[in-house]
Amino acid sequence: EAGVTQFPSHSVIEKGQTVTLRCDPISGHDNLYWYRRVMGKEIKFLLHFVKESKQDESGMPNNRFLAERTGGTYSTLKVQPAELEDSGVYFCASRQTGFGYEQYFGPGTRLTVT
Amino acid sequence: ILNVEQSPQSLHVQEGDSTNFTCSFPSSNFYALHWYRWETAKSPEALFVMTLNGDEKKKGRISATLNTKEGYSYLYIKGSQPEDSATYLCASSNGGYQKVTFGIGTKLQVIP
Repeated sequence: EAGVTQFPSHSVIEKGQTVTLRCDPISGHDNLYWYRRVMGKEIKFLLHFVKESKQDESGMPNNRFLAERTGGTYSTLKVQPAELEDSGVYFCASRQTGFGYEQYFGPGTRLTVT
Repeated sequence: ILNVEQSPQSLHVQEGDSTNFTCSFPSSNFYALHWYRWETAKSPEALFVMTLNGDEKKKGRISATLNTKEGYSYLYIKGSQPEDSATYLCASSNGGYQKVTFGIGTKLQVIP
């Protein structure tokens, strides 16, 4: 069974540009999460999808961040326009619905804004 | 405790030594406690998910305990090996599984 995949693995962009990150969850996992880790800090929750619906987006930093999950399958996270403080590793995770199921993480996308 | 706190933040041990780390988490509305092993540029690997007070879980040389009443969990590694070198992340979900709050991690370096 394929794991959670993320694309790209690395992205270097200039301040003011736009970047779109993609996450493909494990097939059949209705729950999809986005997280971000800024260097030296803890991994922080951004938002949670259940199928195509946003269940909780309380962790989204501001309106420069837009997440979508078309058809309840893959998800994209767009940053527009990017700022220096957006640099970090963006993780995606997916999980089956139900008590006690684990979240499975992708390898992350390392975003550098210069 | 409002956040998930881990200690120590980094640790160096000799190969063969046993070691343990601590995770403190909010005990109110506790739902589940997770331990992950993470090597940079790789996916965090789920080690354990624990939900019941007094839970003890074991995977090979690694084990974990959970105290939900006082809000702490311990991760133990017996006979550390160089391949155990990684960052060990603790995360708590409270009030349901909508989101998980991570600690900063304990970076373990096992010296051959």
